[in-house]
Amino acid sequence: DAGITQSPRHKVTETGTPVTLRCHQTENHRYMYWYRQDPGHGLRLIHYSYGVKDTDKGEVSDGYSVSRSKTEDFLLTLESATSSQTSVYFCAISEGRGNQPQHFGDGTRLSIL
Amino acid sequence: DQQVKQNSPSLSVQEGRISILNCDYTNSMFDYFLWYKKYPAEGPTFLISISSIKDKNEDGRFTVFLNKSAKHLSLHIVPSQPGDSAVYFCAAGVGGSQGNLIFGKGTKLSVKP
Repeated sequence: DAGITQSPRHKVTETGTPVTLRCHQTENHRYMYWYRQDPGHGLRLIHYSYGVKDTDKGEVSDGYSVSRSKTEDFLLTLESATSSQTSVYFCAISEGRGNQPQHFGDGTRLSIL
Repeated sequence: DQQVKQNSPSLSVQEGRISILNCDYTNSMFDYFLWYKKYPAEGPTFLISISSIKDKNEDGRFTVFLNKSAKHLSLHIVPSQPGDSAVYFCAAGVGGSQGNLIFGKGTKLSVKP
């Protein structure tokens, strides 16, 4: 299994509070991604990173920011959480060379009340 | 507008028989296609991929077929086993593993003993 750790695994918080999710990898892969999974939507890309301090927006980036100060860590922040951001969040990593696939962490279940 | 479509939300097959999961796409620029399997409370696990220069790729019991003219791919699992019961996601991208992936909504496969 790819060395990907997401923390926390579960979180319940209130509307309007800031939330930060962490993805840590031990594979030294260049690319890292944040997805959310919701019923009826599959997985949708929020933000991704193609190197330290290099990030870009995905399909559903509104209300989210990211940071990558080290190769191994990719943080997802909800500055002011809303109930529509209740979801399961997955981090993925990729070497970004040839046709190597993305590998996923086990997810963070976030509930915003 | 969905670029990657899995039109069957669920599929039930008997153990030992063939499972065929289908996926259609609309973007002719996609050049890299993948299948992932997902168990509850876990992250998606990479199964098999195919690049647009091929029409078939095999890995053990799993075979992916790509029909570019029809913009259609399928995953065949032979023989199906109860442990294959999971949600299967089709994904597509541009630029190999350096590109971002677009996921279908998934098909829930149930393999009955």
